[in-house]
Amino acid sequence: DGGITQSPKYLFRKEGQNVTLSCEQNLNHDAMYWYRQDPGQGLRLIYYSQIVNDFQKGDIAEGYSVSREKKESFPLTVTSAQKNPTAFYLCASSRASGAQETQYFGPGTRLLVL
Amino acid sequence: GQSLEQPSEVTAVEGAIVQINCTYQTSGFYGLSWYQQHDGGAPTFLSYNALDGLEETGRFSSFLSRSDSYGYLLLQELQMKDSASYFCAVSYYNQGGKLIFGQGTELSVKP
Repeated sequence: DGGITQSPKYLFRKEGQNVTLSCEQNLNHDAMYWYRQDPGQGLRLIYYSQIVNDFQKGDIAEGYSVSREKKESFPLTVTSAQKNPTAFYLCASSRASGAQETQYFGPGTRLLVL
Repeated sequence: GQSLEQPSEVTAVEGAIVQINCTYQTSGFYGLSWYQQHDGGAPTFLSYNALDGLEETGRFSSFLSRSDSYGYLLLQELQMKDSASYFCAVSYYNQGGKLIFGQGTELSVKP
């Protein structure tokens, strides 16, 4: 079955630590996205990638970094510069990067600060 | 600026019809989408309006009026499983499929 997976489901971060969230898709989609969701809030775009080896900042990129070395993978690193990282992180992909393309979401990773 | 407004909560009974409104203060967007998210889960796509008018998909319909800066999601024959959060989102041409989401409407369906 084709789909998009995220791991781990829960992640705990210590102060000053960098952590990496995994996102993999086998849908052969060109575009991938990372969103952050806080309780009772909508999704805010962190980074997106329209094609391999290319990515752009979203609305809240500070304190985060990404890479897109392979079409199927788009890992997100939450750096120590992100002072309020506790949130639900959602990865998504779409066939292409057009405005009319449906985005398919992974199950999410909950990040908690110890 | 870009912002979308939705009611934070809506309650309805099984079998009823409910309308979730989305008003926006943005321009130049390409289309309006609706996503459903069950508690703690992944959002799933429901509907997309590129043009003004009504789009129907089974029990769900979505409407867009650019002249009124307004859209809505209409859910008919409500079922308990429809209890979830519903998000409207706008997408922009030539911005890599970037979506701007509203803050979501939590729908509670009662027996």
